[in-house]
Amino acid sequence: DIQMTQSPSSLSASVGDRVTITCRASHSITSHLNWYQQKPGKAPKLLIYAASSLHSGVPSRFSGSGSGTDFTLSINGLQLEDFATYYCQESYSNPLTTFGQGTKVEIK
Amino acid sequence: QIQLVESGGGVVQPGRSLRLSCAASGFPLSNYAMHWVRQAPGKGLEWVAVIWLDGTNRYYLDSVKGRFTISSDNSKNTLYLQMNSLRAEDTAVYYCARDRSDVDIVATNIFDYWGQGTLVTVSS
Repeated sequence: DIQMTQSPSSLSASVGDRVTITCRASHSITSHLNWYQQKPGKAPKLLIYAASSLHSGVPSRFSGSGSGTDFTLSINGLQLEDFATYYCQESYSNPLTTFGQGTKVEIK
Repeated sequence: QIQLVESGGGVVQPGRSLRLSCAASGFPLSNYAMHWVRQAPGKGLEWVAVIWLDGTNRYYLDSVKGRFTISSDNSKNTLYLQMNSLRAEDTAVYYCARDRSDVDIVATNIFDYWGQGTLVTVSS
């Protein structure tokens, strides 16, 4: 089974900051890595798929990079509405799939 | 617009059964693979099951295999999750989610639209 590890588990940041979240896979998943945003009491929303492709309607301040085992989600110019929990997810081990444990972005 | 609405959650005793529904609108269910994903209270996301668009290929999380069954009724544009022999550790909000691809029979496991979720509590 592929294990997905996100770091940090939580972070504090201010509006306007650049934020970076890392996701590491236990084995190579090539570029089969997706990112989701979840706000309290709400369903997750797809942000990035295939490591770096922006989902329709997602602001361009979100970007993803990486391949193999190491991936990054960046938010360039954090907005108030970006305070949320972010999850990475591998879609390499199809038909099964695994999420990371989540990274909570809080207001400093 | 694309909408997924789950229903059927509630409080159930261990060992009992429950059936969740996910009504889809804005797209034909028959053209997409569909998933169930759950989230235990205060915890992260856990994929549960997928049904590919051919309706034949179905796959499950190991811990629910043999107890849960995913199915769909294309005439009603509705996805289901039949949950039997429920355990306390199945307590979670259950989300249905659409697979991103409408091209291949094989699901991509990229979830582009999600329902609002329905809470299942397994407790005596």
